[in-house]
Amino acid sequence: EPEVTQTPSHQVTQMGQEVILRCVPISNHLYFYWYRQILGQKVEFLVSFYNNEISEKSEIFDDQFSVERPDGSNFTLKIRSTKLEDSAMYFCASSPDWNSPLHFGNGTRLTVT
Amino acid sequence: KQEVTQIPAALSVPEGENLVLNCSFTDSAIYNLQWFRQDPGKGLTSLLLIQSSQREQTSGRLNASLDKSSGRSTLYIAASQPGDSATYLCAVNTGGFKTIFGAGTRLFVKA
Repeated sequence: EPEVTQTPSHQVTQMGQEVILRCVPISNHLYFYWYRQILGQKVEFLVSFYNNEISEKSEIFDDQFSVERPDGSNFTLKIRSTKLEDSAMYFCASSPDWNSPLHFGNGTRLTVT
Repeated sequence: KQEVTQIPAALSVPEGENLVLNCSFTDSAIYNLQWFRQDPGKGLTSLLLIQSSQREQTSGRLNASLDKSSGRSTLYIAASQPGDSATYLCAVNTGGFKTIFGAGTRLFVKA
């Protein structure tokens, strides 16, 4: 069964550094998402992406965050200058349309020191 | 603002027991509701999706119901097994592209 893949599985970075988290959504899906889960807290929506543009974003997704689909298969989340509070599990998800089940990757655990 | 609450926060049952997990949401204007399973350190696996026009969905030993007007959903697990041990998350789509999650119910099924 096709699945969403995320790399790396764990990323450690120093405060102020830029990080790029990578995702390969399921190939025939059209909607792409990033969510995050701080340890012990709820899964939170960050951003959705459709037709090569951001379709919705949360208040968390400020100017430090950006997303890109650089080619036909990858979907990336960039954090320009990481803060300690950015430490979390970041999940990529995709779906064939907005009203279909979300398919999640296994996540990237980001640790900011 | 939509809020999703799940009760109980944790549940421990003996193998073979039937159980019910509860989810409530504050705004009944939803497009769909999904139940997910999350294993420790892993991603989320979609179990069932109920459209706003539906009352229930079934998959194997799982049955999810939706009462949109009262803002409630339940996930029924029949004949629980140790392999069902995980965190179960409820999430609602209020239109558009954003899905809002509850905090989950941690289930432990004892052999």
